[in-house]
Amino acid sequence: GAVVSQHPSWVICKSGTSVKIECRSLDFQATTMFWYRQFPKQSLMLMATSNEGSKATYEQGVEKDKFLINHASLTLSTLTVTSAHPEDSSFYICSARVNPGQSQETQYFGPGTRLLVL
Amino acid sequence: QKEVEQNSGPLSVPEGAIASLNCTYSDRGSQSFFWYRQYSGKSPELIMFIYSNGDKEDGRFTAQLNKASQYVSLLIRDSQPSDSATYLCAVLGYQLTFGKGTKLSVIP
Repeated sequence: GAVVSQHPSWVICKSGTSVKIECRSLDFQATTMFWYRQFPKQSLMLMATSNEGSKATYEQGVEKDKFLINHASLTLSTLTVTSAHPEDSSFYICSARVNPGQSQETQYFGPGTRLLVL
Repeated sequence: QKEVEQNSGPLSVPEGAIASLNCTYSDRGSQSFFWYRQYSGKSPELIMFIYSNGDKEDGRFTAQLNKASQYVSLLIRDSQPSDSATYLCAVLGYQLTFGKGTKLSVIP
């Protein structure tokens, strides 16, 4: 299957700082990537859809000014958590859309980034 | 609102038994169906996909799809403790919609 990487795999930061998470498709081009967040023992929550060359589409309740998404190339999307606070501590996972619009369309996930805000 | 429903579990089965995981969906126009496995603390991993009515087998896994009943299932034969995880059903209509997952525990 397609390979999606994330960096860093975990990060600890002080409250008020900004953290950037990278999501890369390693062996394919991804015009669309997705960002999810998952709190302990809870289900995946879609935060936003990232489209190459255009603005991200945010889900209801997700602050676009706090979670900045940039999809500047066909293999890289970044999520920046601005002015992070302890309640932003979570597991952030990206996924990439493969074969968009075709019957074989699916999503492959990156390994996730665990964020701890002190 | 497109919905994908799964029994949250936990579903406990003894080692060697067949585990049966079920999923229903509301969007009749859905075309593709996926099963992801998520181990605790890890991201989801795609294990099966099915597009046509009927069964699709891959090793110990069998996905079953019944579009008329809007039902998709995953059977795991000869369940192993290493199969213990949360299994997410996902349905592709306009976008990929995930169920909340079923937690499976395989008891040695």
